[in-house]
Amino acid sequence: KAGVTQTPRYLIKTRGQQVTLSCSPISGHRSVSWYQQTPGQGLQFLFEYFSETQRNKGNFPGRFSGRQFSNSRSEMNVSTLELGDSALYLCASSLEGLVSYGYTFGSGTRLTVV
Amino acid sequence: SQQGEEDPQALSIQEGENATMNCSYKTSINNLQWYRQNSGRGLVHLILIRSNEREKHSGRLRVTLDTSKKSSSLLITASRAADTASYFCATGVYGNKLVFGAGTILRVKS
Repeated sequence: KAGVTQTPRYLIKTRGQQVTLSCSPISGHRSVSWYQQTPGQGLQFLFEYFSETQRNKGNFPGRFSGRQFSNSRSEMNVSTLELGDSALYLCASSLEGLVSYGYTFGSGTRLTVV
Repeated sequence: SQQGEEDPQALSIQEGENATMNCSYKTSINNLQWYRQNSGRGLVHLILIRSNEREKHSGRLRVTLDTSKKSSSLLITASRAADTASYFCATGVYGNKLVFGAGTILRVKS
């Protein structure tokens, strides 16, 4: 079966712009989580969506937002980009979103803010 | 912020040798998971051990968990060049999120 698909793979944006990243989970999976990976802070949890509802949110400013559609595809948006938002953004898919089972990650979107 | 520390930060071994990575965490957990990441790509789930388990095996991988010491170790036996990657432990905490360690960079020389 198809894995988790993240688009685009690479993005270059200018400070102050906004960006939208997309994640298509494994077919049948209803939970999508987003993580940010930077050299300085490592992997940090952004938020989790389940059946179109945000169930959990990490400690990120309101510039980071997301949503999930009825087909479980998810998007995350970052507004007013800052240089520090440059990172690899990873999306994780799971059946019910429970940490009792492993997550399947996509290949990520590498965002560079200049 | 990260849950804990991984040790060592980097490890270089010869092909065929065993590699051991350690992970410590701070809070109560539901489970602990290990992931592999190749060259800044996506994470691949390797193995999950529940808080009531002490040891688990999967192929060449062996994971131990000591909840009293809040620590875990990942052993990769008979390492191969293809095992070269970054390895992360992640604790499954209540609230359905993973809290990752800083990772260990493993280099297996052929």
